[in-house]
Amino acid sequence: GNSVTQMEGPVTLSEEAFLTINCTYTATGYPSLFWYVQYPGEGLQLLLKATKADDKGSNKGFEATYRKETTSFHLEKGSVQVSDSAVYFCALSVGGANSKLTFGKGITLSVRP
Amino acid sequence: GAVVSQHPSWVICKSGTSVKIECRSLDFQATTMFWYRQFPKQSLMLMATSNEGSKATYEQGVEKDKFLINHASLTLSTLTVTSAHPEDSSFYICSAGLAGGTRGETQYFGPGTRLLVL
Repeated sequence: GNSVTQMEGPVTLSEEAFLTINCTYTATGYPSLFWYVQYPGEGLQLLLKATKADDKGSNKGFEATYRKETTSFHLEKGSVQVSDSAVYFCALSVGGANSKLTFGKGITLSVRP
Repeated sequence: GAVVSQHPSWVICKSGTSVKIECRSLDFQATTMFWYRQFPKQSLMLMATSNEGSKATYEQGVEKDKFLINHASLTLSTLTVTSAHPEDSSFYICSAGLAGGTRGETQYFGPGTRLLVL
């Protein structure tokens, strides 16, 4: 089956610190990989995605590279801001937009001024 | 971009009543919609996959008679929580996939509906 494992949280950082959130996966088939962000009280927003090996997804200063050899999709940002405080979910799907998403447990990021 | 709305955003009801939650794709057609449930500080749990014009497919452990799903059109799916009890209190989120969406195409998520059963 498909599964996504995220590092344990929560994570608390000072503003302008470097961020890495680890994500590894197992999948039957060739997955597409996603990072979603959830702000308090809201639904999920797509942060970035990658659909094949060695692709790098990027958005709002966040980056993640699809590493097939290590089955990983770690999220990074060079300098976090207070406004980045949210819950981050790594996810995968095998197939198109009408295929199920498998989510990791999510990790809460808090950024201090 | 593609927008998905949910209504209501907040609902409080008495135990034993039924509650209907709507999920609409506002500017695109969605062949498939998904319903998730999220407990505080936890991940999303897929409840069911809703296909337009056919019966929903429920995940293992989800009571289909308790959580009625109807996908009557390409822009609307509804989730009805029947005879709600306090343990049904949760955050319900829907998502929609583009009709004809290709591999790697993301689903678009609604803002969620918070249900509190007293």
